[in-house]
Amino acid sequence: GAVVSQHPSWVICKSGTSVKIECRSLDFQATTMFWYRQFPKQSLMLMATSNEGSKATYEQGVEKDKFLINHASLTLSTLTVTSAHPEDSSFYICSARSGTGVNEQFFGPGTRLTVL
Amino acid sequence: DAKTTQPPSMDCAEGRAANLPCNHSTISGNEYVYWYRQIHSQGPQYIIHGLKNNETNEMASLIITEDRKSSTLILPHATLRDTAVYYCIVRVATNAGNMLTFGGGTRLMVKP
Repeated sequence: GAVVSQHPSWVICKSGTSVKIECRSLDFQATTMFWYRQFPKQSLMLMATSNEGSKATYEQGVEKDKFLINHASLTLSTLTVTSAHPEDSSFYICSARSGTGVNEQFFGPGTRLTVL
Repeated sequence: DAKTTQPPSMDCAEGRAANLPCNHSTISGNEYVYWYRQIHSQGPQYIIHGLKNNETNEMASLIITEDRKSSTLILPHATLRDTAVYYCIVRVATNAGNMLTFGGGTRLMVKP
C-alpha cells in the first residue's frame, strides 16, 4: 500500500513552546489529509480535515488557532501545536487519501508529543 | 456514517483462527465495511474492505452477512504479531473528503 510518513516520531518540549509535525505522502498525491489525536487507552479522535490549497476544517471543540494546519502541497501537510501545554501531550496521527472512489485511507506512524 | 459495535476485547491462541465480529445494523446501501488495526504506539494499518461480497487478501478474510448488518474479520492463523486493536468502520467510499471515524475497536490478544 501507499506510504505516509511523519516527522518527528516523538518530541518533548517545554510548556509554552510551539511544535511542528510534518506529514508526507511518499508515493502518491494526497488531495485530502486528516489529523487525529489519540490519548492513552482511547480511540483516535479526528481533529481536522484539510484539502490541498484550502483552509482546514476543524472538528467541534478543536481550537483552530492552537492547532495550525497547513496543506501547501499534494504531498505535505503540517500540524503546528502552538503554545503547547501538558494537556496537549498525546499521540498525533496523520492520514492521507488520494482522489475519489473506493480506496483506502493511509495512516502515518504517529508522533508522540510530550509537553513538560 | 453508520455506527458499528464490536466486543471490547478477545483472546486467541497462536496458530488458531481469530474471528472478530462487528455489528453495523444501520448500514446503508452505499456504505462499505472497512477494517483497520492498530498495533501499540503505531498508526492504524489498513486490512481489508468490502461492500457485499466476501473478500480475501493476504492478511485476512472479510465475511459480510447477506443483509449486510454484520461482518466478521478472520485472521486464519493468528500470530503474536497480530496482537492489536482492530477497528471496524463503515463509510461511504466515494467521497474523498469523508474521513474514517474510529469507535472503540476490539483489543485482540494472541496468546502462545
